Amino acid sequence: NAGVTQTPKFQVLKTGQSMTLQCAQDMNHEYMSWYRQDPGMGLRLIHYSVGAGITDQGEVPNGYNVSRSTTEDFPLRLLSAAPSQTSVYFCASRERTGLAQETQYFGPGTRLLVL
Amino acid sequence: AQSVAQPEDQVNVAEGNPLTVKCTYSVSGNPYLFWYVQYPNRGLQFLLKYITGDNLVKGSYGFEAEFNKSQTSFHLKKPSALVSDSALYFCAVRDVAGGGNKLTFGTGTQLKVEL
Repeated sequence: NAGVTQTPKFQVLKTGQSMTLQCAQDMNHEYMSWYRQDPGMGLRLIHYSVGAGITDQGEVPNGYNVSRSTTEDFPLRLLSAAPSQTSVYFCASRERTGLAQETQYFGPGTRLLVL
Repeated sequence: AQSVAQPEDQVNVAEGNPLTVKCTYSVSGNPYLFWYVQYPNRGLQFLLKYITGDNLVKGSYGFEAEFNKSQTSFHLKKPSALVSDSALYFCAVRDVAGGGNKLTFGTGTQLKVEL
């Protein structure tokens, strides 16, 4: 299994540009989520999904959109990039049921710089 | 609302000495508690979790943590630190009754183990 994969690894955007951060998992996990990591603030939840076709907002959803058309993929869209969105973005997945669900698997991250 | 506090931004330990990384939590119901580790330029990796049962939980790489309900703490410990343990450590909590599916992370503690 490849686990959780993210692309790109690094991206530079200009203010106002849009882009999609890709996330895929091959573990058949129903639950997927996006976090951003900023110095001194830990990880903050942006959006999450409990299954295909179902998404919900986390702590910091403004400026981001998500969709979940398949179990495997959970892309994160930046509609109009702002410097405040400069961060490292992590995608994570876990099973939905059973105690094994409590272990989240993280992707390697996407480092985003907005100029 | 659920929250996690990691009171120390950095912990310095000499190799071979015991280490402790502190974590306290706040939930309205019963907590599920986790420790994750992040090595430079990598995603988070699961270390251990407390769901129910024995208050002392053993995890990967010789780490353990003790759940203390009266002090609302879940400190991470290791009897003998290694230089390779140097990394960023995150505590996380899920309030099973009140928080739904969301996992809340602390701000992280940088562990530095020196020779």
